[in-house]
Amino acid sequence: GAVVSQHPSWVICKSGTSVKIECRSLDFQATTMFWYRQFPKQSLMLMATSNEGSKATYEQGVEKDKFLINHASLTLSTLTVTSAHPEDSSFYICSAGQVVGRETQYFGPGTRLLVL
Amino acid sequence: KNEVEQSPQNLTAQEGEFITINCSYSVGISALHWLQQHPGGGIVSLFMLSSGKKKHGRLIATINIQEKHSSLHITASHPRDSAVYICAVRKLIFGTGTRLQVFP
Repeated sequence: GAVVSQHPSWVICKSGTSVKIECRSLDFQATTMFWYRQFPKQSLMLMATSNEGSKATYEQGVEKDKFLINHASLTLSTLTVTSAHPEDSSFYICSAGQVVGRETQYFGPGTRLLVL
Repeated sequence: KNEVEQSPQNLTAQEGEFITINCSYSVGISALHWLQQHPGGGIVSLFMLSSGKKKHGRLIATINIQEKHSSLHITASHPRDSAVYICAVRKLIFGTGTRLQVFP
């Protein structure tokens, strides 16, 4: 099946720093990528939808200035957590869809972020 | 009330048992996903279905669009099936997950 990778798989950073997470579709071109966040013992929550070459669509309650999403190519989307704080510590997962509107998604392995 | 409800929330089984996990949703959908999340966090998409039934190995997923209900069945369960099973709709709205533990 299709493969989506994320880098890094885990990161520890100091409060106030920015962290960039990469999501790559390795064997297909992803017109749409999704970013999710999962807190311990909770379900995944969609943060934003990014389409290649256009601005991301953020879900209600997600600060677009804090969570910067760039989808510069059909195989790469990045999520930057700016000025990270301990409450941003979470598990961040991306998924990639192959065709806009087609609800087939391939999930990345996730990035565990710990902000000290 | 959540738009996607799963039951049971936790499930334990003995190896070899037949397992059913249920998902009910209240929104209109074009497709429903069943996902498997392992303890390390990685997520695998098991099924995407919009009608009827799909089978992959020991896993079977069914959906009834009129009743807004889907089920995931695991036949001859094995300890390696232990994971959190999540149903999701739309873009996606996730159920809270069902934690399954299968003991040998």
